[in-house]
Amino acid sequence: QSALTQPASVSGSPGQSITISCTGTSSDVGGYNYVSWYQQHPGKAPKLIIYDVSDRPSGVSNRFSGSKSGNTASLTISGLQAEDEADYYCNSYTSSSTEVFGGGTKLTVL
Amino acid sequence: EVQLVQSGAEVTQPGESLKISCQGSGNTFTNYWIGWVRQMPEKGLEWMGIIYPGDSDTRYSPSFQGHVTISADKSIRTAYLQWNSLRASDTAMYYCTRSPGRVGARYELWGQGTLVTVSS
Repeated sequence: QSALTQPASVSGSPGQSITISCTGTSSDVGGYNYVSWYQQHPGKAPKLIIYDVSDRPSGVSNRFSGSKSGNTASLTISGLQAEDEADYYCNSYTSSSTEVFGGGTKLTVL
Repeated sequence: EVQLVQSGAEVTQPGESLKISCQGSGNTFTNYWIGWVRQMPEKGLEWMGIIYPGDSDTRYSPSFQGHVTISADKSIRTAYLQWNSLRASDTAMYYCTRSPGRVGARYELWGQGTLVTVSS
């Protein structure tokens, strides 16, 4: 079971928008609308920011949005803020009734 | 406060056995699934497996099947992750996390993590 593919790093300036991709296969990302995204700051536990491709948990800023096309899911962060600098991970349900995370993307706010 | 509290850091040797725990407060365990996630030093998150404490229904990632055992005791709202024979490559932070569902899991609550160090 291979990890989902994410870019190792992305960067953007405050106020800008960035998008992080998460590519899988028809057996995971493409086969189900069960993609979630997690934000992790250094030394902290991950935090759920998107689930079921595009839903936001209560309390998560609407600057975070998710989408999916085919085998690729995307996380978009608009109006970048310094506190958005963190690692981001996607997660998908799979046809084996298991789950798989992406390799993670480090977001740098310039 | 609703939370998952994990057992403390462990330092152990290759070949040893180990069991770490994750205890929920309040209704943290009722009708929820508890997952385990590994994070090796400076690496990403890896899904290990998940258990429903209500009936101990368990699923494992193929990458971890046979090397770890996930269990739970619903009477004390505690889930466990155990190894019979640790390897140096098991050195990592281990997180427990809670999801209201199995299919389409969303890990909305996380423990603080348990650091396991395996070294001779």
